[in-house]
Amino acid sequence: GQQLNQSPQSMFIQEGEDVSMNCTSSSIFNTWLWYKQEPGEGPVLLIALYKAGELTSNGRLTAQFGITRKDSFLNISASIPSDVGIYFCAGDNSGGGADGLTFGKGTHLIIQP
Amino acid sequence: NAGVTQTPKFQVLKTGQSMTLQCAQDMNHNSMYWYRQDPGMGLRLIYYSASEGTTDKGEVPNGYNVSRLNKREFSLRLESAAPSQTSVYFCATNPGGYGYTFGSGTRLTVV
Repeated sequence: GQQLNQSPQSMFIQEGEDVSMNCTSSSIFNTWLWYKQEPGEGPVLLIALYKAGELTSNGRLTAQFGITRKDSFLNISASIPSDVGIYFCAGDNSGGGADGLTFGKGTHLIIQP
Repeated sequence: NAGVTQTPKFQVLKTGQSMTLQCAQDMNHNSMYWYRQDPGMGLRLIYYSASEGTTDKGEVPNGYNVSRLNKREFSLRLESAAPSQTSVYFCATNPGGYGYTFGSGTRLTVV
């Protein structure tokens, strides 16, 4: 199956710092998605990207769909304690995720006060 | 309005035992999914159901069976549990876009 390589695996940062994580694939995706998972819960959608080159923001979060359609990145500005969690990229070619999504292995974000 | 409800939340099985993980949704979504989450592996799709009466294999279906009993319920069955099936299992529904709604997970340990 398709593989998504997500980096870094984990990040230890100070509150207020900016965060950057990325995801690359050996194959093309038509849609890139970023999810956040908090302890004991399932993932929740943060941002969806539908077009190569697209740059989309959701509050302090900004994500971009790479021009090659094989990569995406997520930035978080001015991190706060509630940003702690695991961030997953996901790719889709089935339209609306109907056939399920391919997830990266996650970036574990830890914020030190 | 519970969204997606998974039962049980925790389970310990002995190797070779069978069990069924239950998932029910009250959002009237057509598509439902079962994922497993392992440390360092992300979420991997086991089976999915695009609508009542249909099911399809995902990335890692071996050792599992599913039943889409009706529009609300999608169950995952382990016929003969193995230690490699120790994982956190998530059920999800899809309203037709990417805003999947996930349940809170079932933490399964096979000893």
